[in-house]
Amino acid sequence: QITLKESGPTLVRPTQTLTLTCSFSGFSLSTSSVGVGWVRQPPGKALEWLALVFWDDRYRYRTSLRNRLTIKKDTSRNQVALTMTNMDPMDSATYYCTHLLWYGESYYFNSWGQGTLVTVSS
Amino acid sequence: YVLTQPPSESVAPGKTATITCGGNNIGSESVHWYQHKPGRAPVLVLYYDTDRPSGIPQRFSGSNSGNTATLTISRVEAGDEADYYCQVWDTGSDHPVFGGGTKLTVL
Repeated sequence: QITLKESGPTLVRPTQTLTLTCSFSGFSLSTSSVGVGWVRQPPGKALEWLALVFWDDRYRYRTSLRNRLTIKKDTSRNQVALTMTNMDPMDSATYYCTHLLWYGESYYFNSWGQGTLVTVSS
Repeated sequence: YVLTQPPSESVAPGKTATITCGGNNIGSESVHWYQHKPGRAPVLVLYYDTDRPSGIPQRFSGSNSGNTATLTISRVEAGDEADYYCQVWDTGSDHPVFGGGTKLTVL
């Protein structure tokens, strides 16, 4: 059974740096065709992928946020961390950690954590 | 690559709901669908156009051809009320693309 759990602050001040950690079980990030990603949903808006890390050490960042995001994996501890700098109230959202699988010609989001609500406010 | 979904759909209980996802030649892509209820984690309901993960009822089915992929929910239940998102993998940019989501209301 795959589980993912997000942890980190619920309140961040504008301009501060957000660090979220995803702790997962039921799979290994060293297994072929596996990835872990972060997806967020601002209130009333659609899902928005942020950053992905794959079993083969490839990384992908959302183009519009590339300069603010860093994703790092710790395979031995089954954790993935996301750092987002210069937080703004517009970054207030529920942040989800996800498990990705490759099938055919596509990765898809196989499992999701429960999400963590992050509010950016002074 | 852009995926276009209708913002909302409504359906009576017991009827069939059809949620579309439009994209340029999307029929040549693998489309995945997620159900998202308020306050809950999104759930994968279909992958690779038509495959259902274990635990997803057979009432959920999919098709994909031309410029439109479709999620069909038969014999709709109140518990199917949720937002539904389609997703593809943009092989050119090597990253995922989500549709804007469709809010399904069960009347």
